[in-house]
Amino acid sequence: GENVEQHPSTLSVQEGDSAVIKCTYSDSASNYFPWYKQELGKRPQLIIDIRSNVGEKKDQRIAVTLNKTAKHFSLHITETQPEDSAVYFCAASKAGGSYIPTFGRGTSLIVHP
Amino acid sequence: DAGVIQSPRHEVTEMGQEVTLRCKPISGHNSLFWYRQTMMRGLELLIYFNNNVPIDDSGMPEDRFSAKMPNASFSTLKIQPSEPRDSAVYFCASVIATEAFFGQGTRLTVV
Repeated sequence: GENVEQHPSTLSVQEGDSAVIKCTYSDSASNYFPWYKQELGKRPQLIIDIRSNVGEKKDQRIAVTLNKTAKHFSLHITETQPEDSAVYFCAASKAGGSYIPTFGRGTSLIVHP
Repeated sequence: DAGVIQSPRHEVTEMGQEVTLRCKPISGHNSLFWYRQTMMRGLELLIYFNNNVPIDDSGMPEDRFSAKMPNASFSTLKIQPSEPRDSAVYFCASVIATEAFFGQGTRLTVV
């Protein structure tokens, strides 16, 4: 089955700095990579995703990159703000057929004002 | 739409007791997942249903855990008997296409 590794487990940055979270996956057939954000005490929610037919996707201050050859993908947050503080989960799955995301263990991002 | 609804939000129970967690998925979603979240292991997939049928329960940790989905609008996760190491947040998520919508979770504490 799929195995997703996520690093770092915790990340502390100053407001305005950039933050990068990295994930690797094991199943070369995986082709869909969503990222979820979980604020303290709340449910995980989808914030951005990328499919294997593109290498990068941006949405305002967040971007995701994908390297299919190396089987790794990353989340980049620029100009971090205190409200970005949360746990971020990456996931990998095959889109098409049954969608079954395998999640990484999560990264706790703390943005200091 | 109120989203995925889980109950109870918090449950404190004594070791050995039966615990039942409940989930109402979003109408029209054809897949439902149960996850367990802990600091040590993150989000673990316990079981998932497709069109109310259990497809893969290989993530269920022990026979003490069981899950049912009697119809498209309701699922339960039961732990009997409960143990302190079962303490965690349990999430239910319903899926449409490639997006999983999570419920608010049930925080279970077994003392």
